[in-house]
Amino acid sequence: DADVTQTPRNRITKTGKRIMLECSQTKGHDRMYWYRQDPGLGLRLIYYSFDVKDINKGEISDGYSVSRQAQAKFSLSLESAIPNQTALYFCATSDSHLNEQFFGPGTRLTVL
Amino acid sequence: DQQVKQNSPSLSVQEGRISILNCDYTNSMFDYFLWYKKYPAEGPTFLISISSIKDKNEDGRFTVFLNKSAKHLSLHIVPSQPGDSAVYFCAASAESNYQLIWGAGTKLIIKP
Repeated sequence: DADVTQTPRNRITKTGKRIMLECSQTKGHDRMYWYRQDPGLGLRLIYYSFDVKDINKGEISDGYSVSRQAQAKFSLSLESAIPNQTALYFCATSDSHLNEQFFGPGTRLTVL
Repeated sequence: DQQVKQNSPSLSVQEGRISILNCDYTNSMFDYFLWYKKYPAEGPTFLISISSIKDKNEDGRFTVFLNKSAKHLSLHIVPSQPGDSAVYFCAASAESNYQLIWGAGTKLIIKP
């Protein structure tokens, strides 16, 4: 059973389109995160949420928005996708008292 | 400005030998360090961690060493097995801020 799920797993879209990536978790964790991975750059934090009413910008939030619909759900939106947002996107969760983060399988997004 | 650096993009090791993956950091406020392992088409999975109050942590075949004065940590895998072939990420955080800062990753290839 997957503890952290992401949908879709792959998405190809065109410049200017609105895209939503969704993340759900069954681990009961308070904290949720969205990262993107680009070749040679490791993971960079886009947004994070410590609980349903708490949303924080990460290192590279420009061009992205998020919604924490419930403790278990955290979605990432690209309001108007551009080609340099082509990347692998990961959702992660963590317990509020631990640093270890648990990751979903990733969404590969291609913006043409 | 990368605060966590993994200077070797790839490493090839013979099966049964020791694999040593290195990580350097620049921020002296980091006090907790983690290693994650990532297979293709999957999210990173937690491997081992170390707090700055320790200089070594061991878990089975995996040992992490921390040299605070040099701002350097390393992951030792002994003996290396084919299933260890993956990308390994080093990540760091400061107690005051639970965000993880990630290195770019090292691709480990275990040769039979």
